[in-house]
Amino acid sequence: NAGVMQNPRHLVRRRGQEARLRCSPVKGHSHVYWYRQLPEEGLKFMVYLQKENIIDESGMPKERFSAEFPKEGPSILRIQQVVRGDSAAYFCASSPGQGRTDTQYFGPGTRLTVL
Amino acid sequence: AQRVTQPEKLLSVFKGAPVELKCNYSYSGSPELFWYVQYSRQRLQLLLRHISRESIKGFTADLNKGETSFHLKKPFAQEEDSAMYYCALGGNTGKLIFGQGTTLQVKP
Repeated sequence: NAGVMQNPRHLVRRRGQEARLRCSPVKGHSHVYWYRQLPEEGLKFMVYLQKENIIDESGMPKERFSAEFPKEGPSILRIQQVVRGDSAAYFCASSPGQGRTDTQYFGPGTRLTVL
Repeated sequence: AQRVTQPEKLLSVFKGAPVELKCNYSYSGSPELFWYVQYSRQRLQLLLRHISRESIKGFTADLNKGETSFHLKKPFAQEEDSAMYYCALGGNTGKLIFGQGTTLQVKP
């Protein structure tokens, strides 16, 4: 049973380009969380999605960032017009349920570098 | 406010010494607390959660609501315990609120 998959593992973009990060949850999990880890900081929650629904986007920057989790296919975190401050590790996690006690299973992360 | 504080960025101990990684939280409701660990070149994984009251790899953590703490302890550290440890609070909607993390270095 494969764990959470994220691709690409490393992504380099120039300022102004778009970054698209993909996350495939554990098979059977319908809850996906995205977290961002800036250099020298802990993980910060960005967005929580269920299939075709955004449940909590309280941690998402208001501009340039969007996320989706379609009925079919992986969850996508999209960053438009990237800036140097977007350079970070982006982690996806999935869980089988919504409960606060549910274990979240993490992917290996995508390391985004903006030149 | 929902917040988790890990005051130590780095904790260095010798093999066989006791370990305590500190974690304090701020949460207005009934807290759900976790410890996650990231070993070198591996992904973040759950170590233990307070609701389970279990010991994993010799580690235990007790929720102290009076002190709003959830410190992680192990009586005798092993070299393979060297890793990054994150304390996390289960927030509303199930999201996790992480502390800054503590690097545990166990020296031979």
